[in-house]
This record gives sequence, C-alpha cells and structure tokens, in this order.
Amino acid sequence: AQKVTQAQTEISVVEKEDVTLDCVYETRDTTYYLFWYKQPPSGELVFLIRRNSFDEQNEISGRYSWNFQKSTSSFNFTITASQVVDSAVYFCALSESLGGTSYGKLTFGQGTILTVHP
Amino acid sequence: DSGVTQTPKHLITATGQRVTLRCSPRSGDLSVYWYQQSLDQGLQFLIQYYNGEERAKGNILERFSAQQFPDLHSELNLSSLELGDSALYFCASSVRLAGDEQYFGPGTRLTVT
Repeated sequence: AQKVTQAQTEISVVEKEDVTLDCVYETRDTTYYLFWYKQPPSGELVFLIRRNSFDEQNEISGRYSWNFQKSTSSFNFTITASQVVDSAVYFCALSESLGGTSYGKLTFGQGTILTVHP
Repeated sequence: DSGVTQTPKHLITATGQRVTLRCSPRSGDLSVYWYQQSLDQGLQFLIQYYNGEERAKGNILERFSAQQFPDLHSELNLSSLELGDSALYFCASSVRLAGDEQYFGPGTRLTVT
C-alpha cells in the first residue's frame, strides 16, 4: 500500500528565511507520480508540481525548488526567501501507475502548516 | 481559479438527512475525483470516475454514492448523515485516467448538526 509521510506538522519562520518541507513516500510500484499542493487559509488546494518516478532532475520555479531522491524515497520542497504569502498548509501526494489498481487516486501526507512571520 | 466548480459552497443539514454535492470538471478533463478533508482523517480519496465509469474506490462509506453524467459533471450523494460526516468535500479533475496533476475545486463545506 502506498503511504506518504510529512513528519513536520508545523514550521514557523521569519520572512526571508529559507525553509524545507520534507516528504517521504512508500510504494511498491516502479512507476509512480509525486505531487505538491498548497492549501492557503482560503481553503482551496493549489497544484504546485508533478514529478514522475523516472525523472529525478531537481526543479526550480522562482523561489520554489524540489529535490527528488529515489534512493531515500524523498521528495522535499524548499522555499527560498520565504514571504508572508507563503503561509499555508503544504501537502505532498503520491499516485500509482496505470499498472496498479488505484488509478489516479492521490494518497496525501498529513500536511505541514507553514507560518511565515513578518 | 482552477476551472473546477463545485456547488454549494456551504451546506448545513441535520443528522439523518441526505444531500447532493455537485462538481463540474475543467473543460476537456475526463477524470473526476472526490476527496474528503477532515481534521482527524486528513485528505482521503473517496472515488474516481473516468468518462462516465467508476474506476477506483477508496474508503467511501456505503451511505455515500456518486455518479458522472454524460456531460462529465459529477454528483456525490451523502445519505443518513451523521455528525462525523461534517467535513470539506473536494472535487478534482484531470485529463487522463492516471498520472496527471489533479485540479481541485473550491470545496463544499458540509456541517451536520
């Protein structure tokens, strides 16, 4: 069974600090997909990134970067120079391949509450 | 705006009642998913439809059912409601059956009193 663990329940930083959100996953599939979503105080879930299991290249998008390491089953998310608007709950999620029976189901971690203070 | 719409935004009802939540996917998306978010269970997958057919089921209660119509909109029916069903219900959509990013609607907040 697939599982996603976000060990950090809450993180509090001061604006302009860098912060890394950890995500560790478990799956028996060789083909799978990893995602990060942001849930701001308004409540909607906003898609941030998708990674497939064959693409271990790190990705950078503005102040956001993601580090995918299959060897440690981790998909960590770093925000550089954090801003107050980054305050939100961040979810890591895993989806199995078509070969599994779960199809597109996303298995979410418990989320990390990030608070950025001015 | 994700392009996924959900109605109603809020719903307050009594125990034992039945409600219907509605979702319209993004244009061109064939897969629709339903998720439940609660404080104790987190975000849980309920059910997936692809092009009108049920394709995957999660821990969805027997009191809950869903369907996807020919125009691809979906409805989630919750019956014999209990206090514990109070939660935020999200609909999401994606283009393909699996592997794609899912775009989420704004959610329906259900309160059972």
